Amino acid sequence: EAQVTQNPRYLITVTGKKLTVTCSQNMNHEYMSWYRQDPGLGLRQIYYSMNVEVTDKGDVPEGYKVSRKEKRNFPLILESPSPNQTSLYFCASSFHGRSNQPQHFGDGTRLSIL
Amino acid sequence: DQQVKQNSPSLSVQEGRISILNCDYTNSMFDYFLWYKKYPAEGPTFLISISSIKDKNEDGRFTVFLNKSAKHLSLHIVPSQPGDSAVYFCAASRAGGGADGLTFGKGTHLIIQP
Repeated sequence: EAQVTQNPRYLITVTGKKLTVTCSQNMNHEYMSWYRQDPGLGLRQIYYSMNVEVTDKGDVPEGYKVSRKEKRNFPLILESPSPNQTSLYFCASSFHGRSNQPQHFGDGTRLSIL
Repeated sequence: DQQVKQNSPSLSVQEGRISILNCDYTNSMFDYFLWYKKYPAEGPTFLISISSIKDKNEDGRFTVFLNKSAKHLSLHIVPSQPGDSAVYFCAASRAGGGADGLTFGKGTHLIIQP
């Protein structure tokens, strides 16, 4: 089954404790992206990757890091999480980064930073 | 500065009637528009899209209309069914590749009443 898998689905942690949210897709997609969803703000892009070893900032990259060492994986790293990063996070992928490619989303990761 | 606006946070429609969800955009560089549907505890799923060279695209019960001069698009669902109750996101991407991904509206919560 074609899918985007995120782990964990839920996490409660404390300020400053490094965490990683994993994202994996099995569709051989070149393009991957991370979004966060906040009440009243919709989905905002954090980082994206056009292909292996190619990453770039989205609209709200501060406080986040990503890496793309393999095509299928695109982890989101919070080196020193803060309460304002409490949010619902979605990973997405598409065949390539062209504008006419619908993105496939994972089911989300809800992070609570205390 | 929100480039994609969905001004109705929620919409209630009777089962069997037409649902019309609206979306406005400000960036004239957008050339591709998509609608996503989101159920609670799931990621957004792609519903329908339209290129800026068209003014209408239809897929079963779903039709998207684009008015470029007004920078406005709408999603029509006919007839509305209980399973259509969800949050609908309008999204847009820029001409020339859109590598920086999609710009989303804040979403409209559609409630189909029996």
